[in-house]
Amino acid sequence: GQQVMQIPQYQHVQEGEDFTTYCNSSTTLSNIQWYKQRPGGHPVFLIQLVKSGEVKKQKRLTFQFGEAKKNSSLHITATQTTDVGTYFCSKGSSNTGKLIFGQGTTLQVKP
Amino acid sequence: DAGVTQSPTHLIKTRGQQVTLRCSPISGHKSVSWYQQVLGQGPQFIFQYYEKEERGRGNFPDRFSARQFPNYSSELNVNALLLGDSALYLCASSRDWDSYNEQFFGPGTRLTVL
Repeated sequence: GQQVMQIPQYQHVQEGEDFTTYCNSSTTLSNIQWYKQRPGGHPVFLIQLVKSGEVKKQKRLTFQFGEAKKNSSLHITATQTTDVGTYFCSKGSSNTGKLIFGQGTTLQVKP
Repeated sequence: DAGVTQSPTHLIKTRGQQVTLRCSPISGHKSVSWYQQVLGQGPQFIFQYYEKEERGRGNFPDRFSARQFPNYSSELNVNALLLGDSALYLCASSRDWDSYNEQFFGPGTRLTVL
């Protein structure tokens, strides 16, 4: 139905290793937003993807939107301890500001 | 500029009681949305208000209600509290009503129902 599926649920990496989280939808997405939530904190907006095949970079973070606009990914190169947190993808509604969030991927980084 | 503010920070209630949570959006933002986040899950949409009108409603019972005031601040009310209502309640504001706008989340209100 309306859900977005996010995998993996948890990821433990050694500092310096790469990390990727994937977001999938059974329906075509109008847009996708990524948020990061630190432990004990609130979601903070990272990026929005709108166009088919779009790729955006923020320093060590690379965001991709699939050609069919049904999936997206977030890749972090050379993780740091500051990357710890839960990363959520969310899909937008067509006629409201409603966001439907995935279940999130929690990243732990061992120094 | 101040971010989204919410009050109270924490709240403990017992089953059957009623609670009111408050949110002040970023200055200039006309849309306020409420989300419920249960531990270990993503936020779930409850309501969106824009220009004091309900713009969207999630799959929550009628015990949940909200309103937006002329200054764009908002209240979320929950009646007849259940244990399952224990969660972090997040308020998010954005400039406009549609989902293409970046949502700015407040720190949340942690509600515990005993």
